Amino acid sequence: QKEVEQNSGPLSVPEGAIASLNCTYSDRVSQSFFWYRQYSGKSPELIMSIYSNGDKEDGRFTAQLNKASQYVSLLIRDSQPSDSATYLCAVNTNTGNQFYFGTGTSLTVIP
Amino acid sequence: DGGITQSPKYLFRKEGQNVTLSCEQNLNHDAMYWYRQDPGQGLRLIYYSQIVNDFQKGDIAEGYSVSREKKESFPLTVTSAQKNPTAFYLCASSTPYLAANRGEQYFGPGTRLTVT
Repeated sequence: QKEVEQNSGPLSVPEGAIASLNCTYSDRVSQSFFWYRQYSGKSPELIMSIYSNGDKEDGRFTAQLNKASQYVSLLIRDSQPSDSATYLCAVNTNTGNQFYFGTGTSLTVIP
Repeated sequence: DGGITQSPKYLFRKEGQNVTLSCEQNLNHDAMYWYRQDPGQGLRLIYYSQIVNDFQKGDIAEGYSVSREKKESFPLTVTSAQKNPTAFYLCASSTPYLAANRGEQYFGPGTRLTVT
């Protein structure tokens, strides 16, 4: 059973702070890791992909991957109220091109 | 513009009726997927297809059927055998795993189905 675990939250941070979202996965053969943002009533939007250990930065977003510890995280710097959404973690193994999703972490950025 | 379209956005049906949800993509992706999302829940995989004329059951395929006659299209039929069909249905497609962007998955806007 491949599992992706996320803290469901809700996570609340003040505007301008750093929001930290965490995700762990159980399958060591997982190779690709993704973060999606989902606004209420909308479909998920891909915001970050990471494949190698370490950090990957894109604007205010930084994804961090540690394969040895089987976790991936997303940092959102200078959080804005528009970042308020549910963030889904997903992993893809190298077999069958299947994706496994966590249940999501709800983030609220307080003005 | 490349993307995934789903229609209709909202769909209302009476219990006992079959209904087909449309999904079209012009991203030239081989792999396509159908997920179901219930309020406050994660995504659950219904069916997926890696190539034309081939598809596999996901975790909750009972009461659903699909076809993949064209690369661009992957319609989902919700049959009367599905016990709780009311949900948000999401179609997705993905880049090849071996490409530089390994298996990135993109979603359509979704169809919200209500069965009464």
